[in-house]
Amino acid sequence: QVQLQESGPGLVKPSQTLSLTCSVSGTSISRNNYFWAWFRQFPGKGLEWIGYIYFSGSTRYNPSLESRISMSVDTSTKKFSLRMNYVTAADTAVYYCARRNTVTMAEAFDYWGQGTLVTVSS
Amino acid sequence: QSALTQPASVSGSPGQSITISCTGTSSDVGNYNLVSWYQLYPGEAPKLIIYEVSARPSGVPDRFSGSKSGNTASLTISGLQAEDEAEYYCCSYAGSSTFYVFGTGTKVTVL
Repeated sequence: QVQLQESGPGLVKPSQTLSLTCSVSGTSISRNNYFWAWFRQFPGKGLEWIGYIYFSGSTRYNPSLESRISMSVDTSTKKFSLRMNYVTAADTAVYYCARRNTVTMAEAFDYWGQGTLVTVSS
Repeated sequence: QSALTQPASVSGSPGQSITISCTGTSSDVGNYNLVSWYQLYPGEAPKLIIYEVSARPSGVPDRFSGSKSGNTASLTISGLQAEDEAEYYCCSYAGSSTFYVFGTGTKVTVL
């Protein structure tokens, strides 16, 4: 059973760095055709794609966030991570990790974590 | 890139059919057959229910169906059940510059 679980601080101060990790179980993180993604859902409910990473370390980022984010992957621990610099209150959201599976579908995300709320506040 | 437009809420009685629209532009929905739909319950992991406009992942009931015409995609839930009460979001691929754009979300209420 494929499972993804986000973890990280629930409160980050403005101008600091948000760091989240997603733990993957029930599936290989190193398989060809799997990409590992981050999304967020704002308090007003809108959803936004943040970016994704391949097991090799290759990344694609949302152009609107590219200057502030970086992603990494650790295949030995089956975890991938998100870092977002210089956060503001506008970055307050529920952050989700997910899997993009190009084996059976194009441009869709078939498994998601349950999300973690990150609040940016002093 | 603007969000895709969905109705804020749709409701129906058990057994009825409802349809949720998702309107984009010729740069996203209209240009790619790459619309997906996600079901969200509060505090739970989002669930993929439709991909590539009309395909259903394994395990998703055939009560859920998707379609597209021009710049508008649609999700239809037939034989509405109480457990279908959730939020639904469409998502379209929008090319290698923008990648993905989501809908504004629709709250489905089962009366």
